[in-house]
Amino acid sequence: EAGVAQSPRYKIIEKRQSVAFWCNPISGHATLYWYQQILGQGPKLLIQFQNNGVVDDSQLPKDRFSAERLKGVDSTLKIQPAKLEDSAVYLCASSPLHGTANYGYTFGSGTRLTVV
Amino acid sequence: QQQVKQSPQSLIVQKGGISIINCAYENTAFDYFPWYQQFPGKGPALLIAIRPDVSEKKEGRFTISFNKSAKQFSLHIMDSQPGDSATYFCAASLAGLQLTFGSGTQLTVLP
Repeated sequence: EAGVAQSPRYKIIEKRQSVAFWCNPISGHATLYWYQQILGQGPKLLIQFQNNGVVDDSQLPKDRFSAERLKGVDSTLKIQPAKLEDSAVYLCASSPLHGTANYGYTFGSGTRLTVV
Repeated sequence: QQQVKQSPQSLIVQKGGISIINCAYENTAFDYFPWYQQFPGKGPALLIAIRPDVSEKKEGRFTISFNKSAKQFSLHIMDSQPGDSATYFCAASLAGLQLTFGSGTQLTVLP
């Protein structure tokens, strides 16, 4: 089966600019996660979707970050305006159902964002 | 309560040696403890996982040891190989919900 697809792979922007990342999960996976991985740290959950509904966005900086998952398939994560501390790898992951992080929790290769 | 603490931050092992990475958790309700392996430029990939009703799980050269009373678990890599050089993350989840990750251990296996 195809894996989790993410684009772009790399992005360099100036602070205060906006940026968007795209994720296409494994076909049929209902649950989609966006994680932020700062260099030297473990991934930190930003937002979790179940189909096209938000399950958990408690750690999403909502003043600048937004995410959507229209039609319950692919998803977009946006940052506007970006700050220097947003420099990180943004990872998308998917799993078959809510409550199945223990099974088939697959990550994409991520988008590396550098804010200068 | 949701933290998972991982050590060491970096580890250098000779080829053929044993690599040991440790993690500790606080939330006793966690019910699933996976280890992920991440190579540069790639997303984390599931390596091995254990549930708290088991004290040890072995898959090939990789073993998880779990100490429920101490709220600790560790990854042992036997006969470490240069190809094992990667960053390893422990994690924990509750009722199959999102994973909480440790800070990672960068393993280097010298040839």
